[in-house]
Amino acid sequence: QVQLKESGPGLVKPSETLSLTCSVSGVSLNSGGSYYCWVRQPPGKGLEYIGFISYSGSTNYNPSLKSRVTISKDTSKNQFSVRLNSVTAADTAFYYCARVGAQWRQSVWGQGALVTVSS
Amino acid sequence: QTVVTQEPSLTVSPGGTVTLTCASSTGAVTGDFSPSWFQQKPGQAPRVLVFATTNKDAGTPARFSGSLLGDKAALTLSGVQPEDEAEYYCVLWYGGVWVFGGGTKLTVL
Repeated sequence: QVQLKESGPGLVKPSETLSLTCSVSGVSLNSGGSYYCWVRQPPGKGLEYIGFISYSGSTNYNPSLKSRVTISKDTSKNQFSVRLNSVTAADTAFYYCARVGAQWRQSVWGQGALVTVSS
Repeated sequence: QTVVTQEPSLTVSPGGTVTLTCASSTGAVTGDFSPSWFQQKPGQAPRVLVFATTNKDAGTPARFSGSLLGDKAALTLSGVQPEDEAEYYCVLWYGGVWVFGGGTKLTVL
């Protein structure tokens, strides 16, 4: 059974870097055909695509965040991560990691992690 | 800036049928946009119901179906159950980025 779980600081100061890790169990990050995504959701609002890293290591980012975001993976730990620089209050959100097939098929999501940007 | 538009809210009676739509600010939605649909209940992560326009994901009840309706993507629920009350999101592929719609809050009343 594939499971994902987000971890990282729940509070980040403005202008600093938000960093979250997604631990994956039940499948190898190197297994073909999968994409490892980050999606965020401000409390009470809708979903926003952040980006993905593929099983082969290629990345795709939302252009609105591209200058500030990096997604990477550590296959030795079976984890992937997101870093978002220069955060503001507008980056306060639940951050979800997900493993998805092409076109979101068979997607498995983490439970989400709330990150608040505040001094 | 590309905008994906959904009905903010819809209400349906138990056993009824309702169609949710997903429109693109760039024009007609086609299969090339690979529309997918998610259901999200309070306090839970989204779950995919339909991908690539019409394909039901594993575990999606038969009463959910995806289609193209006119110039929009659509999700139809037939024989609505009380447990279908939730927020529904569509997502479209713009050849380099996925863009989510604003969501439709479906009330079963």
